[in-house]
Amino acid sequence: GQQLNQSPQSMFIQEGEDVSMNCTSSSIFNTWLWYKQDPGEGPVLLIALYKAGELTSNGRLTAQFGITRKDSFLNISASIPSDVGIYFCAGRISGTYKYIFGTGTRLKVLA
Amino acid sequence: DAGVIQSPRHEVTEMGQEVTLRCKPISGHDYLFWYRQTMMRGLELLIYFNNNVPIDDSGMPEDRFSAKMPNASFSTLKIQPSEPRDSAVYFCASSLGGGGGYTFGSGTRLTVV
Repeated sequence: GQQLNQSPQSMFIQEGEDVSMNCTSSSIFNTWLWYKQDPGEGPVLLIALYKAGELTSNGRLTAQFGITRKDSFLNISASIPSDVGIYFCAGRISGTYKYIFGTGTRLKVLA
Repeated sequence: DAGVIQSPRHEVTEMGQEVTLRCKPISGHDYLFWYRQTMMRGLELLIYFNNNVPIDDSGMPEDRFSAKMPNASFSTLKIQPSEPRDSAVYFCASSLGGGGGYTFGSGTRLTVV
């Protein structure tokens, strides 16, 4: 079946550093989403991307829809302690409203 | 807006018992999704509805699982009989139109002993 691979799986960074993570697939997707999940809560939508090459920002977060439509990237600038959590990408299967979620990147920020 | 409301937040049950999870989507949303999250398999889509009608249930693991949406403001996911391998966090999510991002509820943590 279709799978989304996220990397890195986890990362420790110092407060103030920039963070980059990515999501790759063997399949083409029409929409990419990025979510953040805090412990004990459901994922919260951060950014949605709808066109290949699209670059979208939400505050300190910037995400890009890869040109090949098989990947997406999320950057967090000047990380702060509340950025801690698990970040998930999700790609929409063409012709459906089904999203496949990635394996997640666990971010830990050292103050 | 109250968001997507799920109940209960936690459920502990014995193997073989029936379990019913409940979801109230955001008012006006026409799509509703049920997901399951485990460490091993991550977030898996079980089933989704559009205007109360099930559209795709191919992710439902087996016949022990069933989902209903009797009206636009309520959905249930039932497991009967429950098994220890059903232990997971079950999320409900809703959206207006299915193509953009969903809003997730806080989930129900199910433990089957």
